[in-house]
Amino acid sequence: ETGVTQSPTHLIKTRGQQVTLRCSSQSGHNTVSWYQQALGQGPQFIFQYYREEENGRGNFPPRFSGLQFPNYSSELNVNALELDDSALYLCASSYGTRKEETQYFGPGTRLLVL
Amino acid sequence: GENVEQHPSTLSVQEGDSAVIKCTYSDSASNYFPWYKQELGKGPQLIIDIRSNVGEKKDQRIAVTLNKTAKHFSLHITETQPEDSAVYFCAASGGTYKYIFGTGTRLKVLA
Repeated sequence: ETGVTQSPTHLIKTRGQQVTLRCSSQSGHNTVSWYQQALGQGPQFIFQYYREEENGRGNFPPRFSGLQFPNYSSELNVNALELDDSALYLCASSYGTRKEETQYFGPGTRLLVL
Repeated sequence: GENVEQHPSTLSVQEGDSAVIKCTYSDSASNYFPWYKQELGKGPQLIIDIRSNVGEKKDQRIAVTLNKTAKHFSLHITETQPEDSAVYFCAASGGTYKYIFGTGTRLKVLA
């Protein structure tokens, strides 16, 4: 088990609504990355936060946004939910932003959009 | 663009046999290659990783090999056990901060 926790574990929303997902990093880690994992697929990179700033972003629209707090915990916000947003959302923490840094994943939040 | 191909998508082996999963990456700048195991309802768990300055790494029953010239890396599990049954993902570091994941291999170890 990693020290990365996520809440809630499951969530059901309707199309057009907004959602906030939360992540607490492993102790000593200052970087959080968020991934979207559709059913039967590998995780897709959404964005990364380091010292409360967005450090990089994947191919996701602006309605996906995030925050990182001084204690290195993080939020993922998704506005105007679409059916295709249904997925497992994973956060991963690491120490530093180098691509060689090992990322440790939390258990994920499963989002269902109806 | 950046891409990681993973094969096979499903793999069934008898308990005690070996399992091999292969990945190919496209970004020549990738220099870190982790492997994750994901059980049903859980997040990916790191099982082994390899960096580009190493050709092979072993941890008990698990080993990973890397061929940078061919842009191939493979996971080898020996003496498989039922608890090895899960989905396995390879990944390659992409760009400056992210991982590019393969599409996963569902491994079934038959008792």
